[in-house]
Amino acid sequence: SQELEQSPQSLIVQEGKNLTINCTSSKTLYGLYWYKQKYGEGLIFLMMLQKGGEEKSHEKITAKLDEKKQQSSLHITASQPSHAGIYLCGAVPVLYSGGGADGLTFGKGTHLIIQP
Amino acid sequence: DAGVIQSPRHEVTEMGQEVTLRCKPISGHNSLFWYRQTMMRGLELLIYFNNNVPIDDSGMPEDRFSAKMPNASFSTLKIQPSEPRDSAVYFCASSLARWANTEAFFGQGTRLTVV
Repeated sequence: SQELEQSPQSLIVQEGKNLTINCTSSKTLYGLYWYKQKYGEGLIFLMMLQKGGEEKSHEKITAKLDEKKQQSSLHITASQPSHAGIYLCGAVPVLYSGGGADGLTFGKGTHLIIQP
Repeated sequence: DAGVIQSPRHEVTEMGQEVTLRCKPISGHNSLFWYRQTMMRGLELLIYFNNNVPIDDSGMPEDRFSAKMPNASFSTLKIQPSEPRDSAVYFCASSLARWANTEAFFGQGTRLTVV
């Protein structure tokens, strides 16, 4: 089954500093999704990456997918308090048996705290 | 559109009671997903529907869990009988198609506590 490992599990960063969150898959990814979750709320879509080597940016957040399509990183530049929350990566495997779920498998998330 | 709407937002129930969680997907979306989130296991896919038909329920933990989608605008997740280990946040999500290439929109979740 698809497994996604996120690192670090939690991160405390001083406001204004840059940070990187990683997501590693045990299998080649068909698509890699990044979501953000604020405590007690639902998930907000950030970005989707599908092609090896692809990179996308949204405001101060940049996500990359490596050429082998097994690892993605999320980079935040000049972090702000609004960036605090849980970041989750989700993926659909390239190959699945047909009996498996077509929904996303998620990593356990990275808890990001921004210190003023 | 108001987004994916889940009800109730919070539910506290006694062990053994039946619990029904409700979801209204975004109008026009043809795929609906139920997820469960806990600290220990993270976010887990329970079941998903495509055009109101259950496609894969292999994530449903046991027979106590059941989900229905009687029409395109409504789905329920039922737990009968409920147990303390079912305590979690349950999310419903909908999308225009299956996950590949499309974004899924999540509801605010239902926080279930079974005592």
